[in-house]
Amino acid sequence: GAGVSQSPSNKVTEKGKDVELRCDPISGHTALYWYRQSLGQGLEFLIYFQGNSAPDKSGLPSDRFSAERTGGSVSTLTIQRTQQEDSAVYLCASSPTTGQGGQFFGPGTRLTVL
Amino acid sequence: EDQVTQSPEALRLQEGESSSLNCSYTVSGLRGLFWYRQDPGKGPEFLFTLYSAGEEKEKERLKATLTKKESFLHITAPKPEDSATYLCAVLTSGTYKYIFGTGTRLKVLA
Repeated sequence: GAGVSQSPSNKVTEKGKDVELRCDPISGHTALYWYRQSLGQGLEFLIYFQGNSAPDKSGLPSDRFSAERTGGSVSTLTIQRTQQEDSAVYLCASSPTTGQGGQFFGPGTRLTVL
Repeated sequence: EDQVTQSPEALRLQEGESSSLNCSYTVSGLRGLFWYRQDPGKGPEFLFTLYSAGEEKEKERLKATLTKKESFLHITAPKPEDSATYLCAVLTSGTYKYIFGTGTRLKVLA
């Protein structure tokens, strides 16, 4: 009965470096979402996957951000040439299908860009 | 533009003092409204889904209701362990993108 897991839990990096954030959804969940949460702000949608395809990438802030999902399971969010404004908590959520019911969130990855 | 607004931003209650949190929404078509609880340093925890006006859901001391323009999360006789940030989200017709409010930070004092 494992929930959604994310790694690392914390990541400190220097400006200009690339980072990879990983999400392991609940087994069998076809929908997977990435969000960004800054202090005092709501959850900002980044991208969602239905299976391995990403029908909506409209929330990605810039072309430095990319994400992929393989085997209908694990997803990786990559941020290239990180900037200080990328500092935030990155949350992953999964659900059995897209567009129905609530989502199940992981604990998040706290990214700090120095 | 689709929008979700939560009020108040913060709420302090004495233990046992019932109250309500508000989530108002402006969307082109509502597919569903969702309530979550978020504890510090953790991801949101799913509480309820509401699909149509008049629908109500209950869980322990929490009760969520929905009208055509807003949803309320009623907290009856809260306890200190109910302290958390409560988030509301909507899913609109024609999209699979959830829109979240900024949340209500609830503090229940013993």
